[in-house]
Parts: sequence; C-alpha cells; structure tokens
Amino acid sequence: GAGVSQSPRYKVAKRGQDVALRCDPISGHVSLFWYQQALGQGPEFLTYFQNEAQLDKSGLPSDRFFAERPEGSVSTLKIQRTQQEDSAVYLCASSLKAVFRDRAYEQYFGPGTRLTVT
Amino acid sequence: QKEVEQNSGPLSVPEGAIASLNCTYSDRVSQSFFWYRQYSGKSPELIMSIYSNGDKEDGRFTAQLNKASQYVSLLIRDSQPSDSATYLCAVSGGGADGLTFGKGTHLIIQP
Repeated sequence: GAGVSQSPRYKVAKRGQDVALRCDPISGHVSLFWYQQALGQGPEFLTYFQNEAQLDKSGLPSDRFFAERPEGSVSTLKIQRTQQEDSAVYLCASSLKAVFRDRAYEQYFGPGTRLTVT
Repeated sequence: QKEVEQNSGPLSVPEGAIASLNCTYSDRVSQSFFWYRQYSGKSPELIMSIYSNGDKEDGRFTAQLNKASQYVSLLIRDSQPSDSATYLCAVSGGGADGLTFGKGTHLIIQP
C-alpha cells in the first residue's frame, strides 16, 4: 500500500520567509510525528499528533514553528520567518497506534522535505 | 534528558560475516526500542522493533534487549554490500511522545 508522502521534497527559502511542509500519513494511522534531521545527526522529535489532537509539542524549537492536523489525517508543519539554522531535513512519520504510557509503536517515515534557508 | 548513544563508526565488516551494532540509553523507563536503516540521502527505514528483554529474530536480523544494562543491539548475519548504511537506534519513553534517536553507526560491508 501507499506509504507516508511529503511535499515538497525540496524547498529553498530566503531568510525571513514563511514555509509550509505537508505530510500525508499512511491511511488509518492514528499517530503522526514530525522530526528534524540535521546533517550527520539522528532525527530529533518536534511534535506528536494523536488523530487531530496535538498532544506533545515539546520538541518545537521556537514559537516560529507551528503544526496542525485538523481532520486527523494530513498534517502541515509551518515555519514562520525562517532562519538559517532552520535548514535541515524535516521528516514525518506515522504509526498505527497511539503512544500509551511511554510505549510507542512502529513508526514509518516519509521521504522528508529538505529545507534550505539562504 | 534522555540520551541514546551509538558508536559513530565507520564499522567495517567483510561480506558474509556478522555485523554487530550497539546502543545504550539513559532513561530506565524506556519501553520501546527500534532499529532503523538510513541510506545516504534517504529517510530512515524501520528494520526491527523490540519491547521485551531477550532476542527477537527476523530473517538475517536479530535485535537484543537488556533493560537492566540499558543496552540494545542489532546483529546482521551474512552481511551483504547492500547492508552498507547508517543504522539508527531509537528509544521511546521518558517524557516526550516522540522517539529519541542516536546519531547512528555507519556500517560498511566490504565485498
């Protein structure tokens, strides 16, 4: 079946511009996660949705980062007034089950969006 | 703060041999453990999940978990050149709902 899809695959933004990154999870997956991956590093958690509810946004680096999943399916990560340090690959992952008491289930990643801020 | 440690490598293994990848984690309450494979320029691909102490085998891959020692490992038997990639260890729990990843071990399988 179809996996997680993300768009655009590449985005170049000038410093100060706003960007919106889209994620289409696997159909029927309850959980959706956003991660940020810098070159040579492992992915870092940004935020978590269970259906349409944003239950954890502890990893968002600043209030310039905003995410939503209004109908419990497609999600958008928005970055306002982009800065050079925002340059990274943004990964979306989905999971069939919800996180429960520190127990997470298998997460499947999309291809990512490579954001370059100039 | 929850930490996941991996040897960055590169780890070089001859084709056909067993590759052994190791990971330690700091948070004792962690419940779920995963290994992902990431090829250069690609996104992470799930290889194994393990939730209980002991071994879990899937084809050429075996994951091993020791919660008392806070240690998880991945063995790859009959290593192939196509196994050459970065292997990421990921752990759940400890406050955030997302996974905490190590920096990854770069594995090279020599033909």
